[in-house]
Amino acid sequence: SQELEQSPQSLIVQEGKNLTINCTSSKTLYGLYWYKQKYGEGLIFLMMLQKGGEEKSHEKITAKLDEKKQQSSLHITASQPSHAGIYLCGVRHSWGKLQFGAGTQVVVTP
Amino acid sequence: DVKVTQSSRYLVKRTGEKVFLECVQDMDHENMFWYRQDPGLGLRLIYFSYDVKMKEKGDIPEGYSVSREKKERFSLILESASTNQTSMYLCASSPPVWTIRTRSDEQFFGPGTRLTVL
Repeated sequence: SQELEQSPQSLIVQEGKNLTINCTSSKTLYGLYWYKQKYGEGLIFLMMLQKGGEEKSHEKITAKLDEKKQQSSLHITASQPSHAGIYLCGVRHSWGKLQFGAGTQVVVTP
Repeated sequence: DVKVTQSSRYLVKRTGEKVFLECVQDMDHENMFWYRQDPGLGLRLIYFSYDVKMKEKGDIPEGYSVSREKKERFSLILESASTNQTSMYLCASSPPVWTIRTRSDEQFFGPGTRLTVL
């Protein structure tokens, strides 16, 4: 099976600072998903990347998929309290089922 | 907007009880999924269904069963709840991956049910 490793496991960032989360796969990624979860709630879809070298941005969040399609990064610029939560990367398998990494907990301090 | 609802946000049950977790989606999605989420382990797939009355085991099906009698509803059943099934349960739905009508096959998640088994 495909292993997804996220790093760091958790991070604390001061409001206004940038942060980066990484997601590394043991196999080639055919469809990499980023989700955000606020504590105790469901997951909210952020972005999906499919092509090597692809980069997508939404507001202050940018996600990239490397050329070899085995690593993705999620970068948040000028973090705000609304960015706090758990970020999960997931890879799509057949029938659309997703396999997730363990998640990265982000805390934004004043 | 796609809406996925789950019957309870919080549930407390006793060991040995039979537990039903209900999930309903209103977007006519073919695929439905049940995950559990535990600290440090992320989300793990329990069961999924790609059509009415169809079901497939996920990564951790032991101790669970599912039912999909109608397209919009996917139920997760704990036949005899145990303390190690205390967890956050998340339901999701998605259109089939081959559809050309959607931009992506993203999964839409419900708010989750936090189940505690005493």
